[in-house]
Amino acid sequence: ELKVEQNPLFLSMQEGKNYTIYCNYSTTSDRLYWYRQDPGKSLESLFVLLSNGAVKQEGRLMASLDTKARLSTLHITAAVHDLSATYFCAVDMADQFYFGTGTSLTVIP
Amino acid sequence: DAGITQSPRHKVTETGTPVTLRCHQTENHRYMYWYRQDPGHGLRLIHYSYGVKDTDKGEVSDGYSVSRSKTEDFLLTLESATSSQTSVYFCAIRLASGASYNEQFFGPGTRLTVL
Repeated sequence: ELKVEQNPLFLSMQEGKNYTIYCNYSTTSDRLYWYRQDPGKSLESLFVLLSNGAVKQEGRLMASLDTKARLSTLHITAAVHDLSATYFCAVDMADQFYFGTGTSLTVIP
Repeated sequence: DAGITQSPRHKVTETGTPVTLRCHQTENHRYMYWYRQDPGHGLRLIHYSYGVKDTDKGEVSDGYSVSRSKTEDFLLTLESATSSQTSVYFCAIRLASGASYNEQFFGPGTRLTVL
């Protein structure tokens, strides 16, 4: 069974600071996805990473994938309050997605 | 918005009663999924479908059944609801193409409370 671990589970950071969320997974996969979820809402797709070395950036968020290390990172640059949400990574394996437990991010003014 | 709706959006029911949740999509996607979301567990797959009348179990399928009699609808049934099935349920569709681009898009969710 594929295991997906995210850390940290909770992250409180000040506006303007940088931080990285990590997503480790237990078996080989070339496809990894990042989602954002606001409280009481559904999941919104952020990034699709389809190969080793893939890097995607959108605004203050940048995601990367290292399939050899089975690691993806979500880097936050100069955090702003609007980035407060829960972030999930998901690994694609044999028709199924396996989700991490999520990282709850709070950006403090 | 991938044209996914879920009904009902909220439901409170009693232990032992049957419950059916509906997921409806308007864009003819082949793959549909049911997940439950609980604090500390992320999203866990209950069942999924890869076509009409083609379904398979996920990680947490015990106590749940599904049906897909037409492409646009995927039903999740709790035969006899228990308090442990109190959760938020999300339906998802998967984009599938020859480029192996398998992104999933999620419905708005159904909050189910079993008393």
